[in-house]
Amino acid sequence: ETGVTQSPTHLIKTRGQQVTLRCSSQSGHNTVSWYQQALGQGPQFIFQYYREEENGRGNFPPRFSGLQFPNYSSELNVNALELDDSALYLCASSFGLAGAGDTQYFGPGTRLTVL
Amino acid sequence: DAKTTQPPSMDCAEGRAANLPCNHSTISGNEYVYWYRQIHSQGPQYIIHGLKNNETNEMASLIITEDRKSSTLILPHATLRDTAVYYCIAAYYDYKLSFGAGTTVTVRA
Repeated sequence: ETGVTQSPTHLIKTRGQQVTLRCSSQSGHNTVSWYQQALGQGPQFIFQYYREEENGRGNFPPRFSGLQFPNYSSELNVNALELDDSALYLCASSFGLAGAGDTQYFGPGTRLTVL
Repeated sequence: DAKTTQPPSMDCAEGRAANLPCNHSTISGNEYVYWYRQIHSQGPQYIIHGLKNNETNEMASLIITEDRKSSTLILPHATLRDTAVYYCIAAYYDYKLSFGAGTTVTVRA
């Protein structure tokens, strides 16, 4: 039990639609990172937010966007959904900047299916 | 981030120690070695991390070679619940955890 929760658990959308996924971090964790995991692959870094500011981005187009709120909740928004966006979306929270000796704790993920 | 290399799969007998190798020959001085595992489409679970010294916690031990080019994760007494994909990651201050394909560990009774 990591204290990181995500909603919804599963979601089905059609191509071209928009989706919002939600994450609730551990209290006191200033950093949230989002990852996309396609079937059979390892998670791929989408972006990270530190104290409500985007702190870096992986190789994902601008239609992937995010928000982080002061109450340790965050959102991942994906516009103009494509079939290849079908994946498990994971959020991870950490106290400071991840990778600097800190630890990211992952939520259970949201399974998105795009038809 | 430094690239890591892991064997694609390994088997382990229940109750025995599981030794999972990881090669990170291009790791830089400030990159940490992290281990996570993922059990069947659940979120990755943090196991352990280290910089230079060997580390131990309630889940596992991490042995890092003196030149830091490789490491070994040791699960001291593997159980069936340890069956998972194990990821070795070298992460620098730039925060991105780069997951490779990992090692699929199957613990057999």
